[in-house]
Amino acid sequence: EVQLVESGGGLVQPGGSLRLSCAASGFTFSSYSMNWVRQAPGKGLEWVSYISSSSSTIYYADSVKGRFTISRDNAKNSLYLQMNSLRDEDTAVYYCARQVVIMFDYWGQGTLVTVSS
Amino acid sequence: IQLTQSPSSLSASVGDRVTITCRASQGISSYLAWYQQKPGKAPKLLIYAASTLQSGVPSRFSGSGSGTDFTLTISSLQPEDFATYYCQQLNSYPHTFGQGTKLEIK
Repeated sequence: EVQLVESGGGLVQPGGSLRLSCAASGFTFSSYSMNWVRQAPGKGLEWVSYISSSSSTIYYADSVKGRFTISRDNAKNSLYLQMNSLRDEDTAVYYCARQVVIMFDYWGQGTLVTVSS
Repeated sequence: IQLTQSPSSLSASVGDRVTITCRASQGISSYLAWYQQKPGKAPKLLIYAASTLQSGVPSRFSGSGSGTDFTLTISSLQPEDFATYYCQQLNSYPHTFGQGTKLEIK
């Protein structure tokens, strides 16, 4: 069974940093591209970042470019999102999602990041 | 690429036929997916490649369209279908989502 489990969310002050993790199981993690998607409270879905299976290709949304860094460790079946210079508007539930070319077929349950003083 | 869903919200009854539209600001071929999200839960993939039903998704869900105009149709609403629906384009990065359509019980 495919499972994606996010962790690392919490309360952080504006300007602070946080590192999210996504532990994958039930599939060959190293064969799949992965994404982070977020959802602010009461709002819609916002794509955040993409990383290819080998980490050779990475994309970011303009809203996080230069502040967030996506990475993965295929030996540990894990995806990461390093978030620096956090702003109030980064408050959201962050989901990791597996990509199969033209779909995000599995999603984690999400981890809540709250940026507030 | 911007995606505009309509309507933003919709009230319907069990058994109704419902259609949600998604319009892209430029052509995206058939690189469109639809997701269902219930409160407090992760999105669930319903349809990919504009019209291909994901495994395990009931056949009352269907999708159509290509280029810039797409539709998601639920042929006969069931109680478990009341949720928010999102389209997403996967033609180019960023892989944008529509703003969502909230389907409520009338």
